[in-house]
Amino acid sequence: QVQLVQSGGEVKKPGASLKVSCKASGYTFTSHGISWVRQAPGKGLEWMGWISGNNGKTNFPQKFQGRVTMTTDTSTSTAYMELRSLTSDDTAVYYCARDSIAEPFEYWGQGTLVTVSS
Amino acid sequence: SYELTQPPSVSVSPGQTARITCSGDALPRKYAYWYQQKSGQAPVLVIYEDKKRPSGIPERFSGSSSGTMATLTISGAQVEDEADYYCYSTDSSGDHRVFGGGTKVTVL
Repeated sequence: QVQLVQSGGEVKKPGASLKVSCKASGYTFTSHGISWVRQAPGKGLEWMGWISGNNGKTNFPQKFQGRVTMTTDTSTSTAYMELRSLTSDDTAVYYCARDSIAEPFEYWGQGTLVTVSS
Repeated sequence: SYELTQPPSVSVSPGQTARITCSGDALPRKYAYWYQQKSGQAPVLVIYEDKKRPSGIPERFSGSSSGTMATLTISGAQVEDEADYYCYSTDSSGDHRVFGGGTKVTVL
């Protein structure tokens, strides 16, 4: 079965960077993209961007352009999301999700809680 | 930027029908998708392409779309259906991918 397993929670200082991993299994990694979605405490879902599992092509909303990097390692079927210049507003649960045109965000990781605090 | 608008909350008695709406200007041209998120859990896709149900999703969940509004219907709502529900779609260009603000469904 499809599984997405994310790295553990982290506490970061303002100004620091964050890197979250998402290891996929149960499907052909290069046949689907991965999106990252975050959820601030008590708030809704926010799409952060997408990366192709095949060729590494990315797509980000303007809000995150220049501050987020998404990469993949096809040898380990793992996707990574790096967010820089963290502020308290970046405190959230970060999710990865398998993403395809027909069924966007079809499968989700368990989420990674990131707390940004001085 | 593109927005999808949902009511903040919907309440329903067990066995009754809950309807959650999602409005957006591009919905006449773009599919709507619906996700269920129970407290402390990751979201789960319950409806895709306006009205299709993934395998394993109970038949009481159905979707429809007309004009600028998509609707998720829970027929015969059960206590375990209490959750936040989010619609998702894109603008006409497909460039802006957005979730609605979410609707908290209470079954009591």
